[in-house]
Amino acid sequence: SQTIHQWPATLVQPVGSPLSLECTVEGTSNPNLYWYRQAAGRGLQLLFYSVGIGQISSEVPQNLSASRPQDRQFILSSKKLLLSDSGFYLCACQGSNEKLFFGSGTQLSVL
Amino acid sequence: AQSVTQLGSHVSVSEGALVLLRCNYSSSVPPYLFWYVQYPNQGLQLLLKYTSAATLVKGINGFEAEFKKSETSFHLTKPSAHMSDAAEYFCAVSSGGSYIPTFGRGTSLIVHP
Repeated sequence: SQTIHQWPATLVQPVGSPLSLECTVEGTSNPNLYWYRQAAGRGLQLLFYSVGIGQISSEVPQNLSASRPQDRQFILSSKKLLLSDSGFYLCACQGSNEKLFFGSGTQLSVL
Repeated sequence: AQSVTQLGSHVSVSEGALVLLRCNYSSSVPPYLFWYVQYPNQGLQLLLKYTSAATLVKGINGFEAEFKKSETSFHLTKPSAHMSDAAEYFCAVSSGGSYIPTFGRGTSLIVHP
């Protein structure tokens, strides 16, 4: 089955600094990949999804971008972080029968 | 279009009591339905899924859910709550033509000793 590696686990960044969160997948090829954000006490917000290398779809306009330079690598980035970018970021890989496998998440605090 | 509604952002039960977490969905085609659990500061993990086979689905940790088409529901139950069941639970739906799952807002399960 798929294994999702996501790092770092926690990150504290000042407002205006750049961001790069990385997610890699093992145990599958050509997966659908997702980035979600979870604000404190709220549900999951889909940010980006990708069905293949270089193919990125954005669900909400915002200060973030995503890239998929390799089949099993999905990167979430920002050039200048805002306070509102704080949250728990989750990477997910879609397996058979459309179920999702999630990484362990990155807790981002923008101060 | 597909959507999920989880009734109750918080559910509180005593240890040993029945757990019932409600989920209603909307989908124009036969759906795939999922329940995920999230423990504090962790990612989500799959509890169980419905994919058009048996309507009563058994998952991990003693949880089960029943697909009721007439009620468009997929409620999650467990006969006897344990303290370790305290977590956030998410219902999700995906359906033909849209492989992207839609999540409910989540229900926080609180278990009292």
